[in-house]
Formats: sequence, C-alpha cells, structure tokens
Amino acid sequence: GNSVTQMEGPVTLSEEAFLTINCTYTATGYPSLFWYVQYPGEGLQLLLKATKADDKGSNKGFEATYRKETTSFHLEKGSVQVSDSAVYFCALSDPAMNDMRFGAGTRLTVKP
Amino acid sequence: NAGVTQTPKFQVLKTGQSMTLQCAQDMNHNSMYWYRQDPGMGLRLIYYSASEGTTDKGEVPNGYNVSRLNKREFSLRLESAAPSQTSVYFCASTFGLAGGAYEQYFGPGTRLTVT
Repeated sequence: GNSVTQMEGPVTLSEEAFLTINCTYTATGYPSLFWYVQYPGEGLQLLLKATKADDKGSNKGFEATYRKETTSFHLEKGSVQVSDSAVYFCALSDPAMNDMRFGAGTRLTVKP
Repeated sequence: NAGVTQTPKFQVLKTGQSMTLQCAQDMNHNSMYWYRQDPGMGLRLIYYSASEGTTDKGEVPNGYNVSRLNKREFSLRLESAAPSQTSVYFCASTFGLAGGAYEQYFGPGTRLTVT
C-alpha cells in the first residue's frame, strides 16, 4: 500500500541556516505530494504541493520537487527564521485511494 | 469565514464513557474526514465522508462511529472509550476527494484523554 517516510526529528537550527527535511514515498499509482505545517496548538495547514513528476512546489521561501525516479519530495529552505519553528508533515494522496497518507512529522526548532 | 471548527477543544473521559466530537465547515466542501494524531505516527484516517449521506472506514475505524448530519457537519462518536483512544483528533474537509490534488483544511483539534 501507499506510505510516506520522513526524516525523524527533532531538528534544531540557528536562524538563517539551510533546512532540508527528507521525505520518501511508496505508491502504486501517480500520487500528488504535499507538505503541511502545524504550529503549536493548531491544526495542519498546507505549505506547498506538487501534483506530477518534476513539479516544484514553493511557498514562503520553502521548496520541494517531486522526484519520481527517487520517489522523494524533500523540503528545503535557504534561510530559516524563528517563526518557522513548527512540525512539518509530508503527505501523499492517490487517486486510487480516497485518503491521504501522512508521514510521522518532523519537529523543527529555530533558535535566534 | 470560520473554516473548520471543532468542539470541544479538550475532554477527559473515564474508560467506558461515551462522547461525540463535533465538526463543522462553512466552505461548502463535499468531503470531510476524521483523523487521529499520535506521537511518532503522523495522522491516521479514522473515517471519511465523500458526500452528504455517505461514510466510509479509513485506516483505524475500530471503536468509532460517524454521522454526516448534513453537508456542513460530520461528527465522531466514541461509544465506550478506552485508554488507547487517548489522542488528538482532527477534522478536515476538502472540495473534492482526498485522492485528488485538492488540499485539506483542518480544524484546530480536540485533545482527548481517557483514564
């Protein structure tokens, strides 16, 4: 079945450091891929998405490229801020399944 | 536009008690979902409703029931709570089906503790 594996945290960075959070997936069909972010005490909200191979999703300085050959969708940001501290979830949705599969989440803490 | 709302925010139950978690959305979405979030396990789908009047099981449905009351509301019921159901519960909605490219919109969550 479909599944998502993402880099375990927690990840602690200094402000302005480069961020990478790894995400790989297993899917039988042609899924869409998502990154969601969860701030303390809140629900998840969409950060970015990509719907087909080689698409790049981007938002608020974050980027991720849908790599079918490596079944990956790694999240990157060139210069993190304290306000980026949150939990990040990689997810996929597959037309053959009416649900989304989420990774376990990666907690990011950015220190000033 | 409130988005997705959930009540209550917090709840403590004793083993064997029952309760209903309420969820409502004002975005005219067709599909609604209930997830549970447990440490180290991400979100797991409990039940979903692709349209008013239909419900289907997700990955972890045992011990739960749902009702899609109308297009706006989707409730989750625990008939006899167990400590294994201690979790944070999220309701979500989306315009289309989750298998497509539409994003899901999430409520703020209900933190449930069963003692």
